[in-house]
Amino acid sequence: GDSVTQTEGQVALSEEDFLTIHCNYSASGYPALFWYVQYPGEGPQFLFRASRDKEKGSSRGFEATYDKGTTSFHLRKASVQESDSAVYYCALVSSNMGYKLTFGTGTSLLVDP
Amino acid sequence: NAGVIQTPRHKVTGKGQEATLWCEPISGHSAVFWYRQTIVQGLEFLTYFRNQAPIDDSGMPKERFSAQMPNQSHSTLKIQSTQPQDSAVYLCASSLEGYEQYFGPGTRLTVL
Repeated sequence: GDSVTQTEGQVALSEEDFLTIHCNYSASGYPALFWYVQYPGEGPQFLFRASRDKEKGSSRGFEATYDKGTTSFHLRKASVQESDSAVYYCALVSSNMGYKLTFGTGTSLLVDP
Repeated sequence: NAGVIQTPRHKVTGKGQEATLWCEPISGHSAVFWYRQTIVQGLEFLTYFRNQAPIDDSGMPKERFSAQMPNQSHSTLKIQSTQPQDSAVYLCASSLEGYEQYFGPGTRLTVL
């Protein structure tokens, strides 16, 4: 079945550091890929999506590029802030399985001021 | 826009009791989804409705769990004979076109 792998369980950075969170997927065809962010006590919030190979999604300074060759959708931000501390989830919607989201295990980002 | 509303925010039940969780989607959204979140399993899809019709319940445990959407303004998730392993945060999401899902704050269910 479809799956999403996030290799980093936790990432600790200082403000203004560069962020990379790795996401790889396994699915047939061209799934839609997503990043969601979750703050304590809240549900996940949609960050952005990409639906085609080489398409870049972006929001709030975060970005990721759909790469079918490496089946990846890595999240990057040039300069993180303390307010970016949260859990980040990579997810996919399979091209032939309706609209249900399949999530990765999440990456907890902690940014020290 | 109040966002997706879930009630109650917290529910504690004894083993064997029934729990009903409520979700009010964003007005005008045609799709409603239910997910479950635990430390061990992470975020798992349970079921979803489009225009009130059940579309996919592939994530629902076959016994004890049921979901309904009697009208466009609310959906319920019912768990009969709750067990400790049902303890989780149950999340409802709604969507206008399917892709961008807006999540509610969740209901934290604790089964003693």
